[in-house]
Amino acid sequence: DAKTTQPPSMDCAEGRAANLPCNHSTISGNEYVYWYRQIHSQGPQYIIHGLKNNETNEMASLIITEDRKSSTLILPHATLRDTAVYYCIVRSLDSSYKLIFGSGTRLLVRP
Amino acid sequence: DADVTQTPRNRITKTGKRIMLECSQTKGHDRMYWYRQDPGLGLRLIYYSFDVKDINKGEISDGYSVSRQAQAKFSLSLESAIPNQTALYFCATRGENTEAFFGQGTRLTVV
Repeated sequence: DAKTTQPPSMDCAEGRAANLPCNHSTISGNEYVYWYRQIHSQGPQYIIHGLKNNETNEMASLIITEDRKSSTLILPHATLRDTAVYYCIVRSLDSSYKLIFGSGTRLLVRP
Repeated sequence: DADVTQTPRNRITKTGKRIMLECSQTKGHDRMYWYRQDPGLGLRLIYYSFDVKDINKGEISDGYSVSRQAQAKFSLSLESAIPNQTALYFCATRGENTEAFFGQGTRLTVV
């Protein structure tokens, strides 16, 4: 599975959009981009995933560049409860079962 | 009931003691995982399993062992606990084409 690179920390104001970047320059054609978040010390929670098209669900939007070497998770109207560590993971659905997490981005939403 | 249940949630044990952390899931998934998280760091994979006959070492398996007693149960053992195994431990499960579901974690302290 491809390695990912994320900034260690970011912050944004409550009510504004939070844009969290992720680089995955070694991604291969059958690998998906997954995002999870971990609030405080709880178990990580799935947010969204995509292959090459942009995706949106009730939690967030995922924008994947055309060359698929990077992506951005967008929380359109961040709230204080969105303060968490966000993990970007790249993996293929049919490969080994490993699920490897990096260090993630610590997002602080300011009042 | 939670999809993934870990027991105990908190445990303090002495150096040299054997301890088992248990995990059960109700998702019917075949893949199960054990992770360790140290303060301020991401999750590191200890062991993972595809089914009851398939056990694989992750990034940091030394000092740990696992048992997949049934599809729904995956336990992690520390044969002789040492202080640097003090950490937050997470169990997770996922299906072939699904996202991962995590337990709420077990906070282990070795004194």
